Amino acid sequence: AQSVTQPDARVTVSEGASLQLRCKYSYSGTPYLFWYVQYPRQGLQLLLKYYSGDPVVQGVNGFEAEFIKSNSSFHLRKASVHWSDSAVYFCAVRGGSNAKLTFGKGTKLSVKS
Amino acid sequence: EAAVTQSPRNKVAVTGGKVTLSCNQTNNHNNMYWYRQDTGHGLRLIHYSYGAGSTEKGDIPDGYKASRPSQENFSLILELATPSQTSVYFCASGDWGGAGQLYFGEGSKLTVL
Repeated sequence: AQSVTQPDARVTVSEGASLQLRCKYSYSGTPYLFWYVQYPRQGLQLLLKYYSGDPVVQGVNGFEAEFIKSNSSFHLRKASVHWSDSAVYFCAVRGGSNAKLTFGKGTKLSVKS
Repeated sequence: EAAVTQSPRNKVAVTGGKVTLSCNQTNNHNNMYWYRQDTGHGLRLIHYSYGAGSTEKGDIPDGYKASRPSQENFSLILELATPSQTSVYFCASGDWGGAGQLYFGEGSKLTVL
């Protein structure tokens, strides 16, 4: 079975500050890992994805994530947040050839000016 | 740009009634998915499909059926709707070439009275 834990339901940061959103996954093999973002009243959009290679992956709008296998983590980072980054962020895992994609509960990010 | 279209976007149903949510994708993706989104639960997988004629149970299939009559269309069917099925439902499509990603529709808000 595969699962994702996002321990922080809500995070508030000031504009211009750095950001880390935490994600831990559970999967016995090598996972496919994703971060998606959901803006109000919209569907989800892909921020970045990882399967193999460099454990630090770059995504859109200055986001990056680091895969740490020893810790089963895939935390999302951004050096300097903007008010428009306010949204809900979801971490997701897929295992092997299985088409099933499992999401975490999401972290709601609020950026205050 | 990949396109996933859901209908209806808003639906009010009565308890015990039948509800069909429809999804159409123009991406020629093999895999399609139905998720529901609820506060505190994130996105939970109801059913998914590997292609026309195939349906698979996700994590919370009870009370739902799915139908994939063609590559483009994937329906979610609530034969006897209950108030606990009040939610926002998202359809998605994707293929797993490389790490792949899912493309989401804009969601269907269902209220069961």
